[in-house]
Amino acid sequence: QSALTQPPSASGSPGQSVTISCTATSSDVGGYNYVSWYQQRPGKAPKLLIYEVNKRPSGVPDRFSGSKSANTASLTVSGLQAEDEADYHCNSYAGGNSWVFGGGTKLTVL
Amino acid sequence: EVQLVESGGGLVQPGGSLRLSCAASGFTVSDNYMTWVRQAPGKGLEWVSVLYRGGGTYYADSVKGRFTISRDNSKNTLFLQMDSLRPEDTALYFCARGTSGRFFDYWGQGSLVTVSP
Repeated sequence: QSALTQPPSASGSPGQSVTISCTATSSDVGGYNYVSWYQQRPGKAPKLLIYEVNKRPSGVPDRFSGSKSANTASLTVSGLQAEDEADYHCNSYAGGNSWVFGGGTKLTVL
Repeated sequence: EVQLVESGGGLVQPGGSLRLSCAASGFTVSDNYMTWVRQAPGKGLEWVSVLYRGGGTYYADSVKGRFTISRDNSKNTLFLQMDSLRPEDTALYFCARGTSGRFFDYWGQGSLVTVSP
């Protein structure tokens, strides 16, 4: 199973925008529109933020948005708030009844 | 309200076995596909296994042949039987509900498994 590569860290000041990338080593991400993003606060379970590349579940602020181009998916957090400080994980269906996650990105709000 | 509660984790020696449980409420496990995801200390998430509505099961290469996913419909509970455990299986194990869109919409709080002599 291939991997999804995320930057280990990202940061921004309150009010700014930050984009986290998620790049596939093969066509896992590019071949499917089944990319999802999860937010994980310390000691907590992951929480669904974005699904099917750019859709938000009810209750997720529209400050969070997703996109995809070729083999790279991206999560953008606009209007950063202190409560956005967390780990963010990308995920893609990889075919063959399997899924793959990225290594996670720690977002720091300065 | 949808809830998932894992249990059964603990300390086990290499080569040993453990069975994790994931008790669901607010929905029917057999009407959905369910998955296990793990997170080693300080690391990212790793997909482990899936159980489909129709009973089909699939595993990550790292656990294939050692782990078995199953469910008890009468108890609305998902299980993960883990045999021949290795130190690299040490992780927090989450169960999650899958959707037709190939994402996981509800997650449990996790059950910690430590494999050490």
